[in-house]
Amino acid sequence: KNEVEQSPQNLTAQEGEFITINCSYSVGISALHWLQQHPGGGIVSLFMLSSGKKKHGRLIATINIQEKHSSLHITASHPRDSAVYICAGFSGSARQLTFGSGTQLTVLP
Amino acid sequence: DSGVTQTPKHLITATGQRVTLRCSPRSGDLSVYWYQQSLDQGLQFLIQYYNGEERAKGNILERFSAQQFPDLHSELNLSSLELGDSALYFCASSVPAGGNEQFFGPGTRLTVL
Repeated sequence: KNEVEQSPQNLTAQEGEFITINCSYSVGISALHWLQQHPGGGIVSLFMLSSGKKKHGRLIATINIQEKHSSLHITASHPRDSAVYICAGFSGSARQLTFGSGTQLTVLP
Repeated sequence: DSGVTQTPKHLITATGQRVTLRCSPRSGDLSVYWYQQSLDQGLQFLIQYYNGEERAKGNILERFSAQQFPDLHSELNLSSLELGDSALYFCASSVPAGGNEQFFGPGTRLTVL
């Protein structure tokens, strides 16, 4: 069974802080997605990774295939980064995404 | 704006009823995925269609069904609704059959009373 575990569940930071959200996944998952869900409910795809590192603006995603671990980093956090961040693993055999439980991030001004 | 549209945005109905949720994928995307997000279960994959054919099935109840039409829009049919079916239903689309970036629609919030 494909599993994805995220930590922490909740994270509160002060504006400007460096933030890290972690995701561990089971054997069988070949790619890892990071999603952002806004308070209104909309979901935005941030990254899709199968190896290495990707950067977009202040967001950086890394993946370590040997350790089956991925991290999402936010540099110079801002209150507008407040959202739920969800990692999801894609299994090629099951042809589906399995989602982590999400991390509620609150960035205080 | 992801380019994926979903209608309606909100739906309120009663137990036992049947509803249809509609999704139009981004232009050029052949794959459509349906997901359910409930408070107790989080996000769950329901079903995927690729170019009109069912490609993958997840935790979709027998009371639920979906199809993808020749113009690539998709519909998710939910019947004999129960209180526990109240959730946000998202569709997403991607160009290829799977494993690549998916673009999510705004979701349909279903409330079953």
